[in-house]
Amino acid sequence: AQSVTQLGSHVSVSEGALVLLRCNYSSSVPPYLFWYVQYPNQGLQLLLKYTTGATLVKGINGFEAEFKKSETSFHLTKPSAHMSDAAEYFCAVGSGGSYIPTFGRGTSLIVHP
Amino acid sequence: EAGVAQSPRYKIIEKRQSVAFWCNPISGHATLYWYQQILGQGPKLLIQFQNNGVVDDSQLPKDRFSAERLKGVDSTLKIQPAKLEDSAVYLCASSLDLQSTDTQYFGPGTRLTVL
Repeated sequence: AQSVTQLGSHVSVSEGALVLLRCNYSSSVPPYLFWYVQYPNQGLQLLLKYTTGATLVKGINGFEAEFKKSETSFHLTKPSAHMSDAAEYFCAVGSGGSYIPTFGRGTSLIVHP
Repeated sequence: EAGVAQSPRYKIIEKRQSVAFWCNPISGHATLYWYQQILGQGPKLLIQFQNNGVVDDSQLPKDRFSAERLKGVDSTLKIQPAKLEDSAVYLCASSLDLQSTDTQYFGPGTRLTVL
């Protein structure tokens, strides 16, 4: 069984500030981890994913995430927020034992000018 | 490269009516997914196809939902009869193959409102 917990349904930051969106997972086997972004009235778009290898993963739009096995975490960060980053962000976990990723409930990122 | 296409984008129906959604995946993608996304929640998988065969439909409410992927390309998802709790965005996604590491590409979704 696998599950994802995203801490905080809403995160508010000022433009130029650090973005930190938290994701913790539970998986009985080595996980594959994903972050997706969803802009209003659009489908989900992959930001980045971890499968194996380097634990620090760089994605699109300046985002990155670090897989920390000891903490069962895969937090998403960006050094400097832009207004265009305002969207819903979803963490998901998959595994070699399941073709189907399990999504978290999402975190809404709000960026203030 | 064209993305995943879905239609209609919006649909409003009354309870007990039927409705159908259409999805055209990215060309060459063997795997197709239908998700239900209720407001404030993450997507929940309803059904997964590999070519024209069903891989997983364990979370599809089969008494009212049905889906098919004839010829292994386009797919339709049907609800008959609809209930109020079916109000959600229905997302279609496709991936190159069945590997759990494959990136899924999502369509814009169909927003269903059941009155």
